[in-house]
Amino acid sequence: SQTIHQWPATLVQPVGSPLSLECTVEGTSNPNLYWYRQAAGRGLQLLFYSVGIGQISSEVPQNLSASRPQDRQFILSSKKLLLSDSGFYLCAWSVRSFWGTNEKLFFGSGTQLSVL
Amino acid sequence: EDKVVQSPLSLVVHEGDTVTLNCSYEVTNFRSLLWYKQEKKAPTFLFMLTSSGIEKKSGRLSSILDKKELSSILNITATQTGDSAIYLCAVEAGNNRKLIWGLGTSLAVNP
Repeated sequence: SQTIHQWPATLVQPVGSPLSLECTVEGTSNPNLYWYRQAAGRGLQLLFYSVGIGQISSEVPQNLSASRPQDRQFILSSKKLLLSDSGFYLCAWSVRSFWGTNEKLFFGSGTQLSVL
Repeated sequence: EDKVVQSPLSLVVHEGDTVTLNCSYEVTNFRSLLWYKQEKKAPTFLFMLTSSGIEKKSGRLSSILDKKELSSILNITATQTGDSAIYLCAVEAGNNRKLIWGLGTSLAVNP
């Protein structure tokens, strides 16, 4: 069966410090991978998605970047955190069906990031 | 601009009540509508709807899509405290099959 691991669960970082959140998927190959942010009182905002190693699409301009060094590993980074980067970050994966439509998303347990 | 609107934003009911959550959308090139339940952290998949008028059921939960009205409802019968969660609606649309998310409905079921 497939599992998704995301860590850390919580993180408190000072403004201006770097960030690295990691997500790995087990039990599947060639997954689509996603990073979402969920701010309080708001819906899920897609930050990045990847359809393959080294292929990253950014949905919104921001202080963050993503990388996919291996097929089942997705990393969210920042060189210098801002206060506005605080939020709940979710990693997710999906498999494209034969008919080319998105299958459902499977989410990790999230990282609560507080930038102080 | 594509958008998904959920209502109500929050709801408090008593155990045993039946609830109906709404999701309406305005998108280009609709492909599917999905419901997720978010209890604490990770949203978990409930239903995917693509065809109008066909009800999907899972235990006490059911959902149906109305493409004419550009909306979907999620019904929960005989609610239990374990149904307390945020229910998220997302619509897959466009040639790039992007997911557009609603803000969610926060449901609290009191004993």
